[in-house]
Amino acid sequence: GPKVLQIPSHQIIDMGQMVTLNCDPVSNHLYFYWYKQILGQQMEFLVNFYNGKVMEKSKLFKDQFSVERPDGSYFTLKIQPTALEDSAVYFCASSTLTGVQDTQYFGPGTRLLVL
Amino acid sequence: AQSVTQPDARVTVSEGASLQLRCKYSYSGTPYLFWYVQYPRQGLQLLLKYYSGDPVVQGVNGFEAEFIKSNSSFHLRKASVHWSDSAMYFCAVSAWGFASALTFGSGTKVIPCLP
Repeated sequence: GPKVLQIPSHQIIDMGQMVTLNCDPVSNHLYFYWYKQILGQQMEFLVNFYNGKVMEKSKLFKDQFSVERPDGSYFTLKIQPTALEDSAVYFCASSTLTGVQDTQYFGPGTRLLVL
Repeated sequence: AQSVTQPDARVTVSEGASLQLRCKYSYSGTPYLFWYVQYPRQGLQLLLKYYSGDPVVQGVNGFEAEFIKSNSSFHLRKASVHWSDSAMYFCAVSAWGFASALTFGSGTKVIPCLP
């Protein structure tokens, strides 16, 4: 089936540094998402993005977070500055936004460890 | 706001036996409901989804789920479990469409064992 890729698979950084997580969505998809899963907890929605704009965001999407997708490139999640509580697995997803055929396709996740 | 409860963190089932994974949701409107499976080091994969119509919905790999509105439940079933079904299973709900933000349950780990 359609594949969403995430780069890198793992990232270790020091608290206070900036990190950018990259997502390569399915090629004809228009709607993009980030979810966060802290170890041992359930996956939680962060944000979704369409046509260059944030459409929905949760309370977990702090001011230090930003998303963008420059033309034809990766959909990115940037955290600046990072905090210890940002350690988690971040999943990217994409969908076509065509109605009943919509399905969110998920990437394998980026494991972020903030020290 | 919506929420999802998966009361069983782990389910051990003999190969060849039937499986039921429980899911209850809370949402005041008409929910969009999903079951996803996650294999180790992979992204989530959609098993099935439901919004309307026949309350028993068929999915991939022999899975099905039944929507029971009166009970706010969307339990997942499989008639005969195979060792390859070993994975985490997540129930999810969204509010306004298949492409909107997903609220996940905490997941159920399925552990097939020899009969």
